[in-house]
Amino acid sequence: DTGVSQNPRHKITKRGQNVTFRCDPISEHNRLYWYRQTLGQGPEFLTYFQNEAQLEKSRLLSDRFSAERPKGSFSTLEIQRTEQGDSAMYLCASSGGPNTGELFFGEGSRLTVL
Amino acid sequence: QKEVEQNSGPLSVPEGAIASLNCTYSDRGSQSFFWYRQYSGKSPELIMSIYSNGDKEDGRFTAQLNKASQYVSLLIRDSQPSDSATYLCAVKRAGNMLTFGGGTRLMVKP
Repeated sequence: DTGVSQNPRHKITKRGQNVTFRCDPISEHNRLYWYRQTLGQGPEFLTYFQNEAQLEKSRLLSDRFSAERPKGSFSTLEIQRTEQGDSAMYLCASSGGPNTGELFFGEGSRLTVL
Repeated sequence: QKEVEQNSGPLSVPEGAIASLNCTYSDRGSQSFFWYRQYSGKSPELIMSIYSNGDKEDGRFTAQLNKASQYVSLLIRDSQPSDSATYLCAVKRAGNMLTFGGGTRLMVKP
């Protein structure tokens, strides 16, 4: 088991373009989370999946953001019509034990919107 | 008021000293509390969890929880330069969302 894997690690795009990030969680983990982190801030919750079901979504999440976990394994996070304010590190985490606050994070996908 | 508040620091301590990191939270319904460590350019990693009032020790780390005061702290004994990182306090209410504070940057000087 190699841990949580995220791709791409870095993405530079122009404003208005769409981007998609992929997360492969630890294989036996049924819970998957997406967070966003900007410099000097803590991670900000975006959305949560249990298996293939998206159970929680941040009220702050714009309609331009959508996430899927179609087969309960990997997940994708798509940002449509990117804006400069979307520039951040997008972190994926998974969890499988009884303690749902014990998250294992991937290395993140850094997005830069020009 | 932020849900989870931490002093951003930096907190500077000499090598071998005790580092004390503090966190307050606003929701009295919070049930579980966590400390994550984040090295510069890396992702957060869990170092401590605490679920009931009192102290919990793990090696050089001690987490303290006071639900009446809505206060969580992390003590690092015999601080080492390798402990230099940002420490994130995280709080979970009912459900599965974990809310993070902004983090405290710790610098341990040799």
